[in-house]
Amino acid sequence: GAVVSQHPSRVICKSGTSVKIECRSLDFQATTMFWYRQFPKKSLMLMATSNEGSKATYEQGVEKDKFLINHASLTLSTLTVTSAHPEDSSFYICSGGPGQGTDTQYFGPGTRLTVL
Amino acid sequence: GNSVTQMEGPVTLSEEAFLTINCTYTATGYPSLFWYVQYPGEGLQLLLKATKADDKGSNKGFEATYRKETTSFHLEKGSVQVSDSAVYFCALISGGYQKVTFGTGTKLQVIP
Repeated sequence: GAVVSQHPSRVICKSGTSVKIECRSLDFQATTMFWYRQFPKKSLMLMATSNEGSKATYEQGVEKDKFLINHASLTLSTLTVTSAHPEDSSFYICSGGPGQGTDTQYFGPGTRLTVL
Repeated sequence: GNSVTQMEGPVTLSEEAFLTINCTYTATGYPSLFWYVQYPGEGLQLLLKATKADDKGSNKGFEATYRKETTSFHLEKGSVQVSDSAVYFCALISGGYQKVTFGTGTKLQVIP
């Protein structure tokens, strides 16, 4: 199957700082990628749709100014958590699929963010 | 809208026991159905999928059949191993979009 990587796998930061998480499709191009957040013992919550070359689309209740998404190329999307607070601590996962209209999404290994 | 309902966990089984994790869905159109598995501390891995009615997805001894009449996609394995301990998510994609709708996940613990 297709491979999606994320970096870093874990990050610990102080409250008020910003953290950037990278999501890369290693063996396919993705015009669209997705960012999810997973709370402990909970399912995944879709945060936003990252569109190459255009603005991201955010789900209801997700603050776009806090979770900045940039999809600068067909293989890279970044999520920046700005002015992070302890309540932003979570497991962030991205996904992408090869080709437009694909019916299968491949997920990155996730990034564990801990805000002190 | 789309939704996926999974049986509540956790599920605890002895090694070599038979596994069933129930999954039902509601969707517009004709969704593609998936099972993803998440091992402790890791991201999601695609376990199997089915894209149309009566299709059977299978992988690593797991299988699930797309049942349109009952809107179900139950996951089964004949003989579980300790290494199968993980959280299993039923999911769907529908309407030509790539957004995945997930169930709540079912934690499976297999004891020796």
